Amino acid sequence: KAGVTQTPRYLIKTRGQQVTLSCSPISGHRSVSWYQQTPGQGLQFLFEYFSETQRNKGNFPGRFSGRQFSNSRSEMNVSTLELGDSALYLCASSQTSAVYNEQFFGPGTRLTVL
Amino acid sequence: LAKTTQPISMDSYEGQEVNITCSHNNIATNDYITWYQQFPSQGPRFIIQGYKTKVTNEVASLFIPADRKSSTLSLPRVSLSDTAVYYCLVPNYGGSQGNLIFGKGTKLSVKP
Repeated sequence: KAGVTQTPRYLIKTRGQQVTLSCSPISGHRSVSWYQQTPGQGLQFLFEYFSETQRNKGNFPGRFSGRQFSNSRSEMNVSTLELGDSALYLCASSQTSAVYNEQFFGPGTRLTVL
Repeated sequence: LAKTTQPISMDSYEGQEVNITCSHNNIATNDYITWYQQFPSQGPRFIIQGYKTKVTNEVASLFIPADRKSSTLSLPRVSLSDTAVYYCLVPNYGGSQGNLIFGKGTKLSVKP
């Protein structure tokens, strides 16, 4: 069974631009969660989607948004990029609940904002 | 807000048993405790999950005392490849559904 895939793997943007990251979960998994990881803040929860609905959201500004499609693939968007948005963005999928089921993480997208 | 406290770092030598303890004072009655492992430049990987007493799998054991205010991840006979960051997680119910708060974890360094 193929693992979680994320595209692109690396991305360089400039301040003020926007970016869209993509995540394909493991087949059959309906929950997709997004995390931001930085050296200073560690691994922080962004949001979780289940059956095309956002059912939980972390403490991030509205510039961070996401969506999930009917095939469970998910995208996250960051608008008006800031230098502090430079981070590793990780996507994780699980069968149902991200809390009670094992989450499988993708390799991440490394975003650099110049 | 559900919160966990674990040591920032630990050192060990190959072949030793490593125990990483995590405090979670306000864990809810039905909450599970979950541990993940993360190597540099990779996403975290699930290690073990438990609710009470002891859980064991092929890589680790998880000990949870009766009061459930803490838990201990035990790694038997560590090797250099166990050098990683280990996260102790409990659910946070700030939203409509729970989510896991990873925090900064415990950086385990295994030396030869």
